[in-house]
Amino acid sequence: AQRVTQPEKLLSVFKGAPVELKCNYSYSGSPELFWYVQYSRQRLQLLLRHISRESIKGFTADLNKGETSFHLKKPFAQEEDSAMYYCALSGRSFNKFYFGSGTKLNVKP
Amino acid sequence: EAGVAQSPRYKIIEKRQSVAFWCNPISGHATLYWYQQILGQGPKLLIQFQNNGVVDDSQLPKDRFSAERLKGVDSTLKIQPAKLEDSAVYLCASSLERWTAPSGNTIYFGEGSWLTVV
Repeated sequence: AQRVTQPEKLLSVFKGAPVELKCNYSYSGSPELFWYVQYSRQRLQLLLRHISRESIKGFTADLNKGETSFHLKKPFAQEEDSAMYYCALSGRSFNKFYFGSGTKLNVKP
Repeated sequence: EAGVAQSPRYKIIEKRQSVAFWCNPISGHATLYWYQQILGQGPKLLIQFQNNGVVDDSQLPKDRFSAERLKGVDSTLKIQPAKLEDSAVYLCASSLERWTAPSGNTIYFGEGSWLTVV
């Protein structure tokens, strides 16, 4: 069965520190992974997806099929990065999206 | 491009009352989803439509929840009668059909409808 695990509910870092939000997935097929972000009082919005291999707002994420992980990284956190981050899984063979429970990132000044 | 529209944004009702939420997806998006997000948890899929047909409603509590998408565009989600544990944010989302997005599909969310059952 498809499953997304985000082990950390809360991650607090100081401004300028590196940040890594962990995401592990369970899926036997060909996965498509996403990171969604929800800023305070705003809708869930796409941050990045692995298929695009892009960097958005300084964030990157690499799909590691061996470790079934898709961790989100940023070398220097900014206060405006404070938000809820959700990892999501879809697949080439199905049109569903499974979400993790989310990690709250708090960037302290 | 207009995003996913939802209403109402906030609703407070007493238990055993009924409530309905409305959603209008992004134009051209054949797939529409209703998710329930309880505080501190990730979104949980309640029901998924492909045009006006139900693809997956396995997680929908059918004794009290119902949803329809009669013309394959906008959708309503109804709860009757509501229970305290239904307090959550109800998220509507939409995406293209899988085959029309060969380079990868993406799901887009509305702002959500916040329900408090007292």
